[in-house]
Amino acid sequence: EAGVAQSPRYKIIEKRQSVAFWCNPISGHATLYWYQQILGQGPKLLIQFQNNGVVDDSQLPKDRFSAERLKGVDSTLKIQPAKLEDSAVYLCASSYSRGNTEAFFGQGTRLTVV
Amino acid sequence: DQQVKQNSPSLSVQEGRISILNCDYTNSMFDYFLWYKKYPAEGPTFLISISSIKDKNEDGRFTVFLNKSAKHLSLHIVPSQPGDSAVYFCAASVGYGQNFVFGPGTRLSVLP
Repeated sequence: EAGVAQSPRYKIIEKRQSVAFWCNPISGHATLYWYQQILGQGPKLLIQFQNNGVVDDSQLPKDRFSAERLKGVDSTLKIQPAKLEDSAVYLCASSYSRGNTEAFFGQGTRLTVV
Repeated sequence: DQQVKQNSPSLSVQEGRISILNCDYTNSMFDYFLWYKKYPAEGPTFLISISSIKDKNEDGRFTVFLNKSAKHLSLHIVPSQPGDSAVYFCAASVGYGQNFVFGPGTRLSVLP
């Protein structure tokens, strides 16, 4: 079974630039999550999708972050414009369903904003 | 406002001995708890879970204990192996499959 795929693995941008991350969840997984993990902290949920609908985006800074999951499969997370404090690892995870508690994580994208 | 706390940033244990990782939470509505393990440059991987209707769950060398009155859970690894060296995250949610809140993690080093 293929795992959660994320790209790119690393990204360095200047502040005020924009950046996008891509995630391909495990086939058949209806629930998709984006987490932000700042160095020294645990992952923080940014947004949760059930198929192509948003279940929870209460911690997503909507003035600069956006995410979509077209056709209920792949997802992209965008930051525009980036700030220095956005430097973090962005993790995508998926689970079979919303009621299934075991989420499978991708390797993450390490973003550095300079 | 940290709802899930792991007060030990790091822990070193000798191979073959018991590792005990601790986690405290403040939200009494949490009713599902998980432990994830993370190796460098990889995403977290699910290890073991426990719901609030239980006080213990075992899976091989891993046992999680839940003390609801103290809002405390712990992960026991017996015996510890060098391959267990990783960062361990405690996570909690209100209801299954909902918004998991993660602790900051504890780095476990198992020394040969």
